[in-house]
Amino acid sequence: GNSVTQMEGPVTLSEEAFLTINCTYTATGYPSLFWYVQYPGEGLQLLLKATKADDKGSNKGFEATYRKETTSFHLEKGSVQVSDSAVYFCALRGVTGRRALTFGSGTRLQVQP
Amino acid sequence: NAGVTQTPKFQVLKTGQSMTLQCAQDMNHEYMSWYRQDPGMGLRLIHYSVGAGITDQGEVPNGYNVSRSTTEDFPLRLLSAAPSQTSVYFCASSYGAGEKSPLHFGNGTRLTVT
Repeated sequence: GNSVTQMEGPVTLSEEAFLTINCTYTATGYPSLFWYVQYPGEGLQLLLKATKADDKGSNKGFEATYRKETTSFHLEKGSVQVSDSAVYFCALRGVTGRRALTFGSGTRLQVQP
Repeated sequence: NAGVTQTPKFQVLKTGQSMTLQCAQDMNHEYMSWYRQDPGMGLRLIHYSVGAGITDQGEVPNGYNVSRSTTEDFPLRLLSAAPSQTSVYFCASSYGAGEKSPLHFGNGTRLTVT
C-alpha cells in the first residue's frame, strides 16, 4: 500500500535559518504529492503540491520538488520566520483505490527569534 | 466563503454514549472524508464518500458510521463511544476524487471520551 515517511521533529531553528524537512514515499503509479501545514488549534491548510515527476511546488517561500527517482518530496525554505512555526505534513494521493490522502506523521517546526 | 465547517469544536462524552459530529461544505465538492488525528500517527482515514448516497470505509472505520444524503453534509456518528476514540477529528472535501485534487479541511472537533 501507499506510505509516507517524514523526518521526526521537533525541528528548532533560529529566524532566517534554512529549513529542510525530508519526506519520502512509497506508492503505486504516479501519485500527487502535497505539503500541508497545521497552525495551533486549526485544521490543515494546503501549502503546496506537485502532480507529476520533476514538478516543483512553491508557496509563501516554501518549495518542494517531486523526485520520482528518489521517491522524495522534501520541503525547503531559504529563510524561516517565527510565523512559520507549525506542524508540517507530507501527503500523497494515490491513483487507485480510496483516493484518500496518505499522511506522514508530521514534523513540528519551532522558529526562535 | 465558509469552506468546510465542523461542529462542535469540543466534546466530552462518557463511555457508551453516542453522538454525531457534523460536517458541511459549501463548495459543491463531490468527495468528502473523515480523518482522525492522533499524536505521532499523522491522520488516518475513517470513512469517505465520492458523492451523495455513496459511502465507503477507510483505514479505521470500526465504531463509526456515516451517511451522505446531500452533497453538502457528511455527518460522522459514534455509536457507543470508547476511550480509544479520544482524538481530533477532521472533515475534508475535494472537488473530485482524482489524485490531483487537494483536500480542504475543517478546523476539527476535539473529542474526549472518559
